[in-house]
Amino acid sequence: QVQLQESGPGLVKPSETLSLTCTVSGGSMNSFYWSWIRQPPGKGLEWIGHVYSTGSTNHNPSLQSRVSISADMSKNQFSLRLSSVTAADTAVYYCARDRGFCTRTSCYPIGAFDAWGQGTLVTVSS
Amino acid sequence: QSALTQPASVSGSLGQSITISCTGTSSDVGSYDVVSWYQQHPGKVPKLLIYEVNKRPSGVSNRFSGSKSGNTASLTISGLQTDDEADYYCCSFVGPTTFHVVFGGGTKLTVL
Repeated sequence: QVQLQESGPGLVKPSETLSLTCTVSGGSMNSFYWSWIRQPPGKGLEWIGHVYSTGSTNHNPSLQSRVSISADMSKNQFSLRLSSVTAADTAVYYCARDRGFCTRTSCYPIGAFDAWGQGTLVTVSS
Repeated sequence: QSALTQPASVSGSLGQSITISCTGTSSDVGSYDVVSWYQQHPGKVPKLLIYEVNKRPSGVSNRFSGSKSGNTASLTISGLQTDDEADYYCCSFVGPTTFHVVFGGGTKLTVL
């Protein structure tokens, strides 16, 4: 059974860069989309972006210019960098696996997150 | 991209059935049969209940069912139990070229 674990600083100063890593264990990263999702305190879920096992990425347009997501398949890890953070970026950050939908030629993300990390609270404050 | 639209809250009595709607557009819910639903209890990780509109992962109760008509997807919970009181989120792929994902704003279910 695949397990995910987020790691990274719990406190980031305004205008700095938030960096988180998700370590995947118990399964391969191949042929899946790996997402970052966040949830501000008391609010709903927001998809940040994902990386496919080939390294291709897509990001939420509302965050696109500040977001960078990458994967290191050799370490079974993928990472999030969110630059120029403000208090509005304070949230619980989750990493998750999208089970995806594959045809004979392509795989697509479908927003079916069947494995999640426990979540990590990142607070933006000076 | 705009969040999918869900009612902020719904309520139902023990043993009854309720339905939560999730309205999108022709770029997401309306064009792809890949709507998912999640249950989240306070302080807990979201749990996948339904994927691809009406499929249940192993271990999810058959009291949870999904459907879709046009740009609106629905989650129905039958035989309401106290443990069903939680927040529920829908989610969909956004296409055809963006390869994005979008969540609904969430619905708080109260079991009376």
